[in-house]
Amino acid sequence: DIVMTQSPDSLPVSLGERATINCKSSQSILYNSNNKNYLAWYQQKPGQPPKVLIYWASTRESGVPDRFSGSGSGTDFTLTISRVQAEDVGTYYCQQYYGAPLTFGGGTKVEI
Amino acid sequence: QVQLVQSGAELKKPGSSLKVSCKASGGTFRRYAISWVRQAPGQGLEWMGGIIPILRRPKYARKFQGRVTFSADESTSTAYMELSSLRSEDTAVYYCARGDYGDYGGNIYYYNMDVWGNGTTVTVSS
Repeated sequence: DIVMTQSPDSLPVSLGERATINCKSSQSILYNSNNKNYLAWYQQKPGQPPKVLIYWASTRESGVPDRFSGSGSGTDFTLTISRVQAEDVGTYYCQQYYGAPLTFGGGTKVEI
Repeated sequence: QVQLVQSGAELKKPGSSLKVSCKASGGTFRRYAISWVRQAPGQGLEWMGGIIPILRRPKYARKFQGRVTFSADESTSTAYMELSSLRSEDTAVYYCARGDYGDYGGNIYYYNMDVWGNGTTVTVSS
């Protein structure tokens, strides 16, 4: 199974600050034939289901604010929130879909 | 816009079985993959597997193989997850989620999940 490792576990930030979350996969999740990284990012708020923010490592889901961006390739990926807003508080997960079973990182809790 | 509505909370005894439903409203689900993901209290997300209704092909994560069954009823746009031999470690919120998939010569790849159900809280306790 592909292991996804996120850091940090917890990320205290101030409003308007930049937040960076890292995700590392135990093997490359770049599919060479289409040059796509099979990685998604989700946001989960307490008591709610996850919500997809980014897929294919850097494609923003429709309706997601442009302060959220994804980058990286191969085994190392980053989710960046350019200017944290109060409503961004929650836990963020990366997920690979390169191979079954689909696996998630352990989560990063963003707190103001 | 499609919504996934799941069945209500369940309290189960160890050793019993569970069946959770996930009904799509406002759209079709037959040409998408329906995944099942669970989240134990205070823990992260765990993919259990999924089913593609139009292909009638379930895929099970190795950890759950033999204990879980996925099915789908296209006539009612409803997917089901059955989990048997329940133990306390199965206490969790169970989510269904819709996503795209890729079919590469019969090999099915599940992609990211863009629509999630509201979750079903399952408690296993004697």
